[in-house]
This record gives sequence, C-alpha cells and structure tokens, in this order.
Amino acid sequence: QKEVEQNSGPLSVPEGAIASLNCTYSDRVSQSFFWYRQYSGKSPELIMSIYSNGDKEDGRFTAQLNKASQYVSLLIRDSQPSDSATYLCAVNFLTGGFKTIFGAGTRLFVKA
Amino acid sequence: GAVVSQHPSRVICKSGTSVKIECRSLDFQATTMFWYRQFPKQSLMLMATSNEGSKATYEQGVEKDKFLINHASLTLSTLTVTSAHPEDSSFYICRLNSGGNTEAFFGQGTRLTVV
Repeated sequence: QKEVEQNSGPLSVPEGAIASLNCTYSDRVSQSFFWYRQYSGKSPELIMSIYSNGDKEDGRFTAQLNKASQYVSLLIRDSQPSDSATYLCAVNFLTGGFKTIFGAGTRLFVKA
Repeated sequence: GAVVSQHPSRVICKSGTSVKIECRSLDFQATTMFWYRQFPKQSLMLMATSNEGSKATYEQGVEKDKFLINHASLTLSTLTVTSAHPEDSSFYICRLNSGGNTEAFFGQGTRLTVV
C-alpha cells in the first residue's frame, strides 16, 4: 500500500517566522512531488512541484526533496496570516500509469 | 498555472434527482482527469480516473453506476451524481493533467447539498 503521511497539525507559527511542513512517503519509485495549499471551503491550489533531489525555491516557498530518506518538505519564509491554510503533500507513483496519492494535509496557522 | 473551469460551484438538489458537474480545461489538452470528493475537515478521496476516449477507472468502493463519468474530449469531463441522497452531499473536485508525470491542476470545486 503506497502511502503519503503528513502531521495533521495544527502547526502554529508567528507572523514573519519560517513554517516547516513535512511529508514522508512509502514508495521508493515515486516520481514527482507536489505541494498544494487549500483554504477552507476552496479547491487545492498547486504551489510547488519538485522532481529531483535538493531544494527548489519559488519566492517565499522552498521545497526540499530527499529520495533516499523518502522525505519532502515545504518551507515558508516570512510567514503571513494569509498563509494560514491546509497544505497537502502529493506524490506521483508509477503503477502501470501514474497515480497521485495525497497526504491528509497539515493545517497551518500564522498568528499576526 | 493552467486554467481549469468547474461548474456549478454550488448546487442544492432534492433526493432522488441527478446532478451533473462539468470540468473544462481552458488552455491545455487534459488527457487524464481525476474526480475527488472531500468531506469537511477530511482529505481528498479519489473517486475515479478517466482518460480521454476510454472508460473511467473507479476506486474501490465507488459505485460506477451512481457516479457517471464522461470524458468525451480533451477539454471536457463530466461527473453525474445519479439518484442523489443526502449522504452524497460533499465537495466534488476535478483535477486535470496533460498525461504522464506532469503537474495537475484542480477545478474550483462543486459544493453539492442534497436535501
């Protein structure tokens, strides 16, 4: 059973701090990794994708991938109250076609 | 990112009726479409995957005769909830990609309430 696991939180950080969100996955042949942000009552929005080991930066967001440890993380620098949302980790697995498995999400609260 | 249009955004229907939800890709060819449902404070649950021109593959426990999926073109997929019941009330979301190991984009979601 392929799994993607996230701490459900809530994770609470003060405004301006770095928020660190973590995700582990079970399958070593996972191909690609995504972070989505979902506001309450809204559809998820893709914020980062990462395909190879290392860091990928986009504005205040940095995704980090370590395939050997089967670990992907998302760092949010200078956190803002508007970053308060649920962050979903998603992993593409190759199983005779690609299948995406979502984690349960981590709720983030950024306190003003 | 790519533009995906899903509508209606909200629908209220009576028990026993059917509801159709449309999902369109506006600026790319969506070879693969996914349909999810999400209950409050829960994660996304994949219902089915469809590839253009072929029958949808349903996840275990999802009734294919109740949740009809049509993916007749590279830009349009529909989900029809037939003979809706109050327990079908949920947030339904489509997700599209252009195939393979590529990024995929969500529609805006449809809040279905069955009364």
